[in-house]
Amino acid sequence: TQLLEQSPQFLSIQEGENLTVYCNSSSVFSSLQWYRQEPGEGPVLLVTVVTGGEVKKLKRLTFQFGDARKDSSLHITAAQPGDTGLYLCAGVGFWNSGYALNFGKGTSLLVTP
Amino acid sequence: NAGVTQTPKFQVLKTGQSMTLQCAQDMNHEYMSWYRQDPGMGLRLIHYSVGAGITDQGEVPNGYNVSRSTTEDFPLRLLSAAPSQTSVYFCASSYSRQGSEQYFGPGTRLTVT
Repeated sequence: TQLLEQSPQFLSIQEGENLTVYCNSSSVFSSLQWYRQEPGEGPVLLVTVVTGGEVKKLKRLTFQFGDARKDSSLHITAAQPGDTGLYLCAGVGFWNSGYALNFGKGTSLLVTP
Repeated sequence: NAGVTQTPKFQVLKTGQSMTLQCAQDMNHEYMSWYRQDPGMGLRLIHYSVGAGITDQGEVPNGYNVSRSTTEDFPLRLLSAAPSQTSVYFCASSYSRQGSEQYFGPGTRLTVT
């Protein structure tokens, strides 16, 4: 299993603040995905990064894939209460007959008005 | 499209009982998988399938069986439930292409007493 370490584990901030979530591994991934999960629901894909050094933006969210494709970060600008949720990074890895996602443990974000 | 559906939403079992968690998708996806989510552990892969008739073990397969007789359905069977299987179970599907988005169901919350 290729381990993905996410930090911080918990984050509580006020509306309007900026934040960064980190996802680190000692392994190289062919691609990495970020998901957001709300209570009682399954994760929903936010973005997939493939190329080392790649930066993708999704409104106020900025995702970066490390040059060596071992780490990634998620930066949220001017956080809003609607950003509250569990953020999961997942590296695409190979299993016996196919591929699967190796998930980090997640960062639980709470944005208060 | 309904996407990925899971039943039941909640289930309580006694130790030693058996049950089947149902998962179905209507997107004609080749790839389907089962994950369990435990506090502080993230999502861990149980079993996956790359197509009808083909299944393989993931990271934590012990105590679970799967089969894939059709493209649409991928049930997960617990043969003899144990308290350690108390968890939230998610089914996911995706195109077979590596790194493609995984679509998750809403989850089944299972408690084994």
